[in-house]
Amino acid sequence: QKEVEQNSGPLSVPEGAIASLNCTYSDQGSQSFFWYRQYSGKSPELIMFIYSNGDKEDGRFTAQLNKASQYVSLLIRDSQPSDSATYLCAVYDHQAGTALIFGKGTTLSVSS
Amino acid sequence: DTEVTQTPKHLVMGMTNKKSLKCEQHMGHRAMYWYKQKAKKPPELMFVYSYEKLSINESVPSRFSPECPNSSLLNLHLHALQPEDSALYLCASRLNTEAFFGQGTRLTVV
Repeated sequence: QKEVEQNSGPLSVPEGAIASLNCTYSDQGSQSFFWYRQYSGKSPELIMFIYSNGDKEDGRFTAQLNKASQYVSLLIRDSQPSDSATYLCAVYDHQAGTALIFGKGTTLSVSS
Repeated sequence: DTEVTQTPKHLVMGMTNKKSLKCEQHMGHRAMYWYKQKAKKPPELMFVYSYEKLSINESVPSRFSPECPNSSLLNLHLHALQPEDSALYLCASRLNTEAFFGQGTRLTVV
């Protein structure tokens, strides 16, 4: 069974700071990695995905992947109060019908 | 259009009721999923449909009965639920890499 581990937090950062969220995964065969943002009471929203080692940037978000260390991270630059949410790291489990398997999520709080 | 539509948004049902949740997508996605999410927990996989066939049932109790009438529609039939089944039920669909979630149905069993 694939496992995805995240620090549940809460992670608190001041407005304008960089928030760093981390995730490790158990299956060395995992190929693609996803970050979802979930506001309280809402459904998960895909914000980033990454396949290749290194960094992938999209606006204020940067995903970083290190397959050798089985480690994925999400950096949020210039954090805003609207970024306050739970961030879920996910991988596909191909033995489960290619369904997303989620970590427990990290709660981020950005204070103004 | 990356929309997955779930209805109803909220549902309150008694333990003897029968109700259904509906999920619809028109993106041509051939994989569809039901997840259950309890408060402060991640989504938990329930069922996977691939090309309208049930491919995965994650040991879900029989009081939950999925159905995929066509490639755009996924139902979850509910019968004799327990209060601990109260949760957010999420539908998702996937074509290649990206999976998109509906807004969920908030279910309360009384």
